[in-house]
Amino acid sequence: NAGVMQNPRHLVRRRGQEARLRCSPMKGHSHVYWYRQLPEEGLKFMVYLQKENIIDESGMPKERFSAEFPKEGPSILRIQQVVRGDSAAYFCASSPPGVVYYGYTFGSGTRLTVV
Amino acid sequence: GDSVTQMEGPVTLSEEAFLTINCTYTATGYPSLFWYVQYPGEGLQLLLKATKADDKGSNKGFEATYRKETTSFHLEKGSVQVSDSAVYFCALIILTGGGNKLTFGTGTQLKVEL
Repeated sequence: NAGVMQNPRHLVRRRGQEARLRCSPMKGHSHVYWYRQLPEEGLKFMVYLQKENIIDESGMPKERFSAEFPKEGPSILRIQQVVRGDSAAYFCASSPPGVVYYGYTFGSGTRLTVV
Repeated sequence: GDSVTQMEGPVTLSEEAFLTINCTYTATGYPSLFWYVQYPGEGLQLLLKATKADDKGSNKGFEATYRKETTSFHLEKGSVQVSDSAVYFCALIILTGGGNKLTFGTGTQLKVEL
């Protein structure tokens, strides 16, 4: 039973390019959460999605960032026109419906470096 | 809003020493509380949890008790090992109709030396 799968593990982008981060939740999990960890900081909530719906995007920057979780396929976090300040570790977590009080299962993260 | 405050690190201990990492919270509702651990270069792993007052979560020798009166969830271990070196995050969640996001503290780095 595979865990939450994120790819790529490491991503290097030049300023102005686009970054696409993928997250495949655990089997049976229909809720996906994205978090960002800046260097020397804790994890900050970005967005919470269910299949084909964004439930809470209160932590997403207003510009350049978007997320989706289509009916088929992984969840995608997309960052357009990356800047150096976007360099961070991005973690995805998933949970089944109705039992979130047990906590989430996290992926190993994608470490984005903008050069 | 909801928030979690952890003691700042790094915390450096000798092997077999006693560990306490303090965590306090502020919540608008009745939270469930968690400790997560992050080993170098890896994602977060759930270490232990407690869902109501006076519950004690425990795993791998670590313990934490949900103290509603002091809004605390301090992490303890009686005898740490070098392999416990990691970053520890305290977190809470409040189930709401609009979403169920975890709120994390800033993390406390633990270094255990021989």
